[in-house]
This record gives sequence, C-alpha cells and structure tokens, in this order.
Amino acid sequence: GAGVSQSPSNKVTEKGKDVELRCDPISGHTALYWYRQSLGQGLEFLIYFQGNSAPDKSGLPSDRFSAERTGGSVSTLTIQRTQQEDSAVYLCASSPISGEKLFFGSGTQLSVL
Amino acid sequence: GESVGLHLPTLSVQEGDNSIINCAYSNSASDYFIWYKQESGKGPQFIIDIRSNMDKRQGQRVTVLLNKTVKHLSLQIAATQPGDSAVYFCAESPYGSARQLTFGSGTQLTVLP
Repeated sequence: GAGVSQSPSNKVTEKGKDVELRCDPISGHTALYWYRQSLGQGLEFLIYFQGNSAPDKSGLPSDRFSAERTGGSVSTLTIQRTQQEDSAVYLCASSPISGEKLFFGSGTQLSVL
Repeated sequence: GESVGLHLPTLSVQEGDNSIINCAYSNSASDYFIWYKQESGKGPQFIIDIRSNMDKRQGQRVTVLLNKTVKHLSLQIAATQPGDSAVYFCAESPYGSARQLTFGSGTQLTVLP
C-alpha cells in the first residue's frame, strides 16, 4: 500500500512488560512523527524525526519511552516496563519534508492489563 | 501549558446543511493551524491548513477562518454529507509548520439523514 503502515494494530500486554511498536512511513517521506491518543482525547506529540538530524524527543512522557528510526525509514517506538496509563492508541505519521502536512497511519491500540 | 480547545464537543447537522466547527487557541505564538478529520478506527486525515498571515482559506467544500484577535479558528463544511460524520480536531503549532502540533480534544460531527 501507499500509506503509513503500523504494526501491530492491537497489542495487549501485562504491566511491567516491554513493547515495541513499528511504523513504516510512506516511501520517500523524510519526516516521521509519533503521537499518542488516549480515549476520547486529542493527540499528544511524542517524538519527531527529520532526516539525519537529531530527533526532537521533547514530547516523550518518561525515560521508559524511546524511539529510533533506522536508515531514515522504519521507526520503532519502545515502551519499557509498561504501566496501565500507557494504554492508548499510538499513531505514526510521515510527511514529505519537515513541516508539510502529516499522513497518519491507523495506529496501534495498546492495552496494558 | 498552552492548550487548544473546542467550544462544542458534539455537533449534529442535517444532511445538506452547512456545518461550522469552532476552536479556541491560547498560544499567542501559534502561527500555523490545521484541521484533521478522524473516522472511527482510522488515523487522522488532513483537511486543510492555514498560516497566521491569512484570515481565510478555502478547499473543496471546506473553509477555514482564522481570527487572530480573539484566537479563534473555525472549519466550515458546505453541504454536509453522511461521509462527513467523524471527529474533527484542530491543531496548532508555533513553528510555522506541522512540526510538534498541539491538538484539541475534538468535536464529534454527526450528519443526520
């Protein structure tokens, strides 16, 4: 497909476990973003990658959250020692260049039991 | 911190009528604004954007109005259709681009037959 792909679409985990969420951006898009959406809420910025520049991590809520982007394409968001408050939809987006409109994936619904 | 809010959490309109969704923002440094549409189970979809040097911008059946004096943003949808039923989010950024957007909590638009 031509859109942003995220996997898994759903993830159920136990409190204290680590999880990895994957994002495949649109081919050729240099900017990649992670957002979090809690139930009935707007989106919360987490992290932003632009090309080979150092990522903007200012939105990460704690040091349990980290993300990397390999080869300027695929990104992985890792949450260590998950807590129940981490339960949310994690959305990835990409854009052709920094600042242009974002194309979102369908998200990963994370449920921490 | 700064926040973006919506006046009405829900809005119901008759098919064929025009819809107006409002948004108030509080960050006076914001210079870029976007409207997104989110259908159930999907990621947000870009509708239209506007920069602070403009008061109005039109797209296909949609118009965004920006009033910087009162920090107010609105989305007008002409001839609302059933497919327009979704949650609409406004978002703002002080970076002049889609980088690190701050989203409002959303308005649920329901189109009645």
